[in-house]
Amino acid sequence: DAKTTQPNSMESNEEEPVHLPCNHSTISGTDYIHWYRQLPSQGPEYVIHGLTSNVNNRMASLAIAEDRKSSTLILHRATLRDAAVYYCILKGNNNDMRFGAGTRLTVKP
Amino acid sequence: GAVVSQHPSWVICKSGTSVKIECRSLDFQATTMFWYRQFPKQSLMLMATSNEGSKATYEQGVEKDKFLINHASLTLSTLTVTSAHPEDSSFYICSVLSGYEQYFGPGTRLTVT
Repeated sequence: DAKTTQPNSMESNEEEPVHLPCNHSTISGTDYIHWYRQLPSQGPEYVIHGLTSNVNNRMASLAIAEDRKSSTLILHRATLRDAAVYYCILKGNNNDMRFGAGTRLTVKP
Repeated sequence: GAVVSQHPSWVICKSGTSVKIECRSLDFQATTMFWYRQFPKQSLMLMATSNEGSKATYEQGVEKDKFLINHASLTLSTLTVTSAHPEDSSFYICSVLSGYEQYFGPGTRLTVT
C-alpha cells in the first residue's frame, strides 16, 4: 500500500479554518484518497474521500493537488468537537484500509 | 452509512482466560468485516479480514490460533482472544465494508490483569 505522510499534530482556534495536509508521493492512478477521524476512545469516523477532483460535503472539503501527490483536508470552521486524530489513507483495489500515524488536531477555545 | 455495534464496550479478564468480542452490523448485511487493534497513543493496526462463510485472512504477525475470528452470518463477526495475556490489553475495533467505505464500531477496550 502506498504510504502517506502527515504532521504529527496541529493546533487551531475555534471557529477558524483548518487545513490538514497529507503527502502521498507514491500514489497510484487507481488509489482513492480517504480521510477518517477518530475522537478519543471511539472508532474512526468517515470524513471524505476523492480521486482527482476536489470534493465537498457537510463535514469538510478535500483539495487534491493536480499531480495527486498531496491533498489537504479543510475544516471550514473548527469547533471543539473537531478535536481528533485525522487519518489520510490511500485505498486501492484491496478492500482493506491501513492507517498511518495521523494528525492530532487540537482546537483552542 | 452502516451502523456497527460492538459488545462488550469494555472487559477486564484474568491472564490465561479467553474473551469473546462481538461485532454487529445493525442495518447492513456485511460480507466483509475487518478487525483492528489499537494500543495507547498509537494508530490502528489491521489484524484480519473476515469474510462471511469462509476463513479469515490474518495480517502478518497476527497469530490465527490466538485471535479466533468467526463470521458466521452477514450481521455478526466475533473475535475471541484465547489465553489472554497482559500484552493483549488493547482497544479492539471492528469495521464493515459497505461500497467504498468502511464503517467502524465504537471499539472494545480489553484489559488483561
